[in-house]
Amino acid sequence: EVQLVESGGGLVQPGGSLRLSCAASGFTFNSYWMTWVRQAPGKGLEWVANIKQDENEKYYVDSVKGRFTISRDNAKNSLYLQMNSLRAEDTAVYYCATLGAGDWHFDLWGRGTLVTVSS
Amino acid sequence: YELTQPPSVSVSPGQTASITCSGDKLGDKYASWYQQKPGQSPVMVIYQDRKRPSGIPERFSGSNSGNTATLTISGTQAMDEADYYCQAWDSSTGVFGTGTKVTVL
Repeated sequence: EVQLVESGGGLVQPGGSLRLSCAASGFTFNSYWMTWVRQAPGKGLEWVANIKQDENEKYYVDSVKGRFTISRDNAKNSLYLQMNSLRAEDTAVYYCATLGAGDWHFDLWGRGTLVTVSS
Repeated sequence: YELTQPPSVSVSPGQTASITCSGDKLGDKYASWYQQKPGQSPVMVIYQDRKRPSGIPERFSGSNSGNTATLTISGTQAMDEADYYCQAWDSSTGVFGTGTKVTVL
């Protein structure tokens, strides 16, 4: 079955760190750009970061630059998001997704993992 | 870069719903559209302005010109009630629209 499964979310204090994982199965993971998208409670979608197949290109939304790091392990079919210096405004459901070729459309989505930043 | 959508659209069953997405020179970029039902992950319904992914009903169509992209749902069904988001790329920065709640009355 083609799927993405996120894990690693939870409750963390402001200033803390968390590492999200996304396990891919059913498709050739190393053929795809990958991305993280988040959604704060009751709010809209926000793109967070992209990573190229070989990790040579990475892009971030301004609000997470210098705090979040996207990475991947093609041997393990896994995508990661290391989140440091977390803030209350980072509270959201975090989704991983594949990016389709050509126009980078968000092709396949995971179910998401909830990150709550609170004291 | 910003993409603006109407907060809500109401439509009667069987009628046509049109959702607009406005952004500066949006027609020069590719737009895609995502449907999200409560408690679920988003699902792509249109990509590259007007292409439908496999499994998406023909009643979903898209267009993009000038500063506006439009998602049209023809013969709207109760199952189409959801939030809809447009999306485009400004260089390598991803931007989602503000979202539109479609209510089927």
